[in-house]
Amino acid sequence: DAGITQSPRHKVTETGTPVTLRCHQTENHRYMYWYRQDPGHGLRLIHYSYGVKDTDKGEVSDGYSVSRSKTEDFLLTLESATSSQTSVYFCAISESGTGRGEAFFGQGTRLTVV
Amino acid sequence: DAKTTQPPSMDCAEGRAANLPCNHSTISGNEYVYWYRQIHSQGPQYIIHGLKNNETNEMASLIITEDRKSSTLILPHATLRDTAVYYCIVRVGTGANNLFFGTGTRLTVIP
Repeated sequence: DAGITQSPRHKVTETGTPVTLRCHQTENHRYMYWYRQDPGHGLRLIHYSYGVKDTDKGEVSDGYSVSRSKTEDFLLTLESATSSQTSVYFCAISESGTGRGEAFFGQGTRLTVV
Repeated sequence: DAKTTQPPSMDCAEGRAANLPCNHSTISGNEYVYWYRQIHSQGPQYIIHGLKNNETNEMASLIITEDRKSSTLILPHATLRDTAVYYCIVRVGTGANNLFFGTGTRLTVIP
């Protein structure tokens, strides 16, 4: 299995509080992604990174920010959590940004905003 | 990225071949066809991918039609552990990109 660790695995937080989710990889892959998964919506891309300090928005980026100061870490921050951000969050990595490279996913973080 | 269409659910008897179809009629020449699956609430797992030719690996076979407008993922001998949601995705061949997941096909393998 690809070396991807998401932390925490479960978190309950209150509305309005900041939350940071961490994705750590040991594969030295260039590309990293954050997805959220909700019933009826499948997986939707939040943000992705194509290198250290290089990030871009996905389809559902509002309310989220990311940072990548090291190759191995990709942080997702909810500046002020809302109940609509209750979801399961998945991190993914890929060596290549091209269509020839498969992506590997972490085990997910279940976030509940109350 | 091209949109894909998959049936929402399918059943397959244990030990039989599972054939999962996917339509991608607007696929471009540089777009690859990828298949992933998600077992229960785990992270998605890569299965196989292809551009034009049929592909086979230890998990499955991928059959792409000559016009590339559709494909079929084949699990040759389905087991109960193959029960999962299967996603068909097409992605461009170059540049920083990402995977657009639809809602996939929920495959249930029946004993």
